[in-house]
Amino acid sequence: AQSVAQPEDQVNVAEGNPLTVKCTYSVSGNPYLFWYVQYPNRGLQFLLKYITGDNLVKGSYGFEAEFNKSQTSFHLKKPSALVSDSALYFCAVSSPGSARQLTFGSGTQLTVLP
Amino acid sequence: DAGITQSPRHKVTETGTPVTLRCHQTENHRYMYWYRQDPGHGLRLIHYSYGVKDTDKGEVSDGYSVSRSKTEDFLLTLESATSSQTSVYFCAISGTRTTQASGSVGTDTQYFGPGTRLTVL
Repeated sequence: AQSVAQPEDQVNVAEGNPLTVKCTYSVSGNPYLFWYVQYPNRGLQFLLKYITGDNLVKGSYGFEAEFNKSQTSFHLKKPSALVSDSALYFCAVSSPGSARQLTFGSGTQLTVLP
Repeated sequence: DAGITQSPRHKVTETGTPVTLRCHQTENHRYMYWYRQDPGHGLRLIHYSYGVKDTDKGEVSDGYSVSRSKTEDFLLTLESATSSQTSVYFCAISGTRTTQASGSVGTDTQYFGPGTRLTVL
């Protein structure tokens, strides 16, 4: 069975500082990893994904994520946080054996303080 | 929201009544999914469809049924709603399969609708 852990329910960061939202995963075989963002009363918006290739993936709105196979992690990062980045962030995983079944983490609420 | 609409957007109903939620897409994507979102659980897959009349169960399918008679519509039915089904329901779509060199199944990104907030009293 595949699983995702987002160890922090809440992350606070000052505007202009770098931010990191953590994600670790467990899956059989090679993982397909995704990050989504959810603003209040909205659906999930796709940010970025890792399938294969370069371990550093760049996505929307200046976000990037680094795939680390040895640590089974896929942390989301941004060099300089904006107040408008405040939202709920979800990490998700699937695998070649179950590519249609995304398993989500429980989410991390990011608050960027002005 | 990638050409996906959900209806209704909000619904309040009573225990024991049937409820049907509709997902409509204009992207002609093959795959459609129903998830529920609950605090502390993230999103959990209820059912998904890989074509007209082709569906399969997800992680939390008990108490739910689905139907897909047209490419663009995917219906989620609660035959007899219970309070434990109070949740926010999201539909998602993804495109055709992408075959990689290894022969493994592709990695289509799922795009989500705006959600339906269902309250069962």
